[in-house]
Amino acid sequence: NAGVTQTPKFQVLKTGQSMTLQCAQDMNHEYMSWYRQDPGMGLRLIHYSVGAGITDQGEVPNGYNVSRSTTEDFPLRLLSAAPSQTSVYFCASSLRTSDTDTQYFGPGTRLTVL
Amino acid sequence: KNEVEQSPQNLTAQEGEFITINCSYSVGISALHWLQQHPGGGIVSLFMLSSGKKKHGRLIATINIQEKHSSLHITASHPRDSAVYICAVSRPYGGSQGNLIFGKGTKLSVKP
Repeated sequence: NAGVTQTPKFQVLKTGQSMTLQCAQDMNHEYMSWYRQDPGMGLRLIHYSVGAGITDQGEVPNGYNVSRSTTEDFPLRLLSAAPSQTSVYFCASSLRTSDTDTQYFGPGTRLTVL
Repeated sequence: KNEVEQSPQNLTAQEGEFITINCSYSVGISALHWLQQHPGGGIVSLFMLSSGKKKHGRLIATINIQEKHSSLHITASHPRDSAVYICAVSRPYGGSQGNLIFGKGTKLSVKP
């Protein structure tokens, strides 16, 4: 199993550009989520999905869109990049049952918006 | 007030020392997680626990549900333990909210 994969690892954007961060998992996990990590702030939830076709907003959703057309993939779209979106982005997945909720994280995408 | 608080924020230890990192939370949870993040690296799950105590090698995690408190202990610390340790709690299973709430992390540095 590859686990959770994210692409790209690094990205530099100019203000106003759009892009998609890719996330995929091969563990058949229903639950997937996107977090951003900023210095002194800890990890904050952007969007999450409890299964294909179902998504919902987290703590900091503004400026981001998600979709979940398959169990495996959960892309994060930046609609019009802003310097405030400079951050490290992590995708995570879990089985999320009543017995287990171990989180599996991708390696992260370091995004800089100029 | 943050729903998940960790202490200390920073910790420096000498190799071989016994280390304790604390986590307190103020919300109802289904489980508590301890995560490890090495500098520039990804995030790895160390423990998920909903009661009692778990041990993996030199790492021990405990949780007291009544007191809403958890501790992560590292015995015989080593420089390779240097990392950020993050406490996170899962909201109750079946809820419609997002899953994890994170503490801000404890940066541990173990000197040889």
